[in-house]
Amino acid sequence: AQSVSQHNHHVILSEAASLELGCNYSYGGTVNLFWYVQYPGQHLQLLLKYFSGDPLVKGIKGFEAEFIKSKFSFNLRKPSVQWSDTAEYFCAVNWSKFSGGYNKLIFGAGTRLAVHP
Amino acid sequence: ETGVTQTPRHLVMGMTNKKSLKCEQHLGHNAMYWYKQSAKKPLELMFVYNFKEQTENNSVPSRFSPECPNSSHLFLHLHTLQPEDSALYLCASSQDLYHPYNEQFFGPGTRLTVL
Repeated sequence: AQSVSQHNHHVILSEAASLELGCNYSYGGTVNLFWYVQYPGQHLQLLLKYFSGDPLVKGIKGFEAEFIKSKFSFNLRKPSVQWSDTAEYFCAVNWSKFSGGYNKLIFGAGTRLAVHP
Repeated sequence: ETGVTQTPRHLVMGMTNKKSLKCEQHLGHNAMYWYKQSAKKPLELMFVYNFKEQTENNSVPSRFSPECPNSSHLFLHLHTLQPEDSALYLCASSQDLYHPYNEQFFGPGTRLTVL
């Protein structure tokens, strides 16, 4: 079955540290890739997405992610985190060739990031 | 209101109660979803509707009953729940299931506690 793995469940960083959150998915084929963020007490919101083209995707708030097809990975990065980046981050993937042909979105378990001032 | 709204935001109910969660999307989308978010577990897709028709029931117990009267509204009717059903229930919408990218937009969720 399709699955999405996020390697780190909890990450603790100091402000200005660099961030990289791992995301790997099973199966190849055509995929659409997403990172969502959930700030404390707020709803899930889209951070960035990859559909095609340049594998290095830039999102909001200085985040970027790189799609490496050969590694089935879509890691999230930020060169310098801020206290306001404290949130839970979810990687999500859809495979258009599965589940009766519709684009079903599969989520990873999430990574909880705490940034200390 | 813009985006996806959910009411109530918090709900506490006993195991014998009947309650309903409501979701409304103001994005002109045709697909709507219910997810369950529990601590330390991935988001679990529960139900999917496309143009008001249910297209997926992800082996959800019958004590959860969805209803989609139109493309803008989605309900989740709850009855005789168990304490393990306590979770955050998220509603989402997307343009439609067969859109090439099918980006989903989420509501704030209903925090459900079953006593």
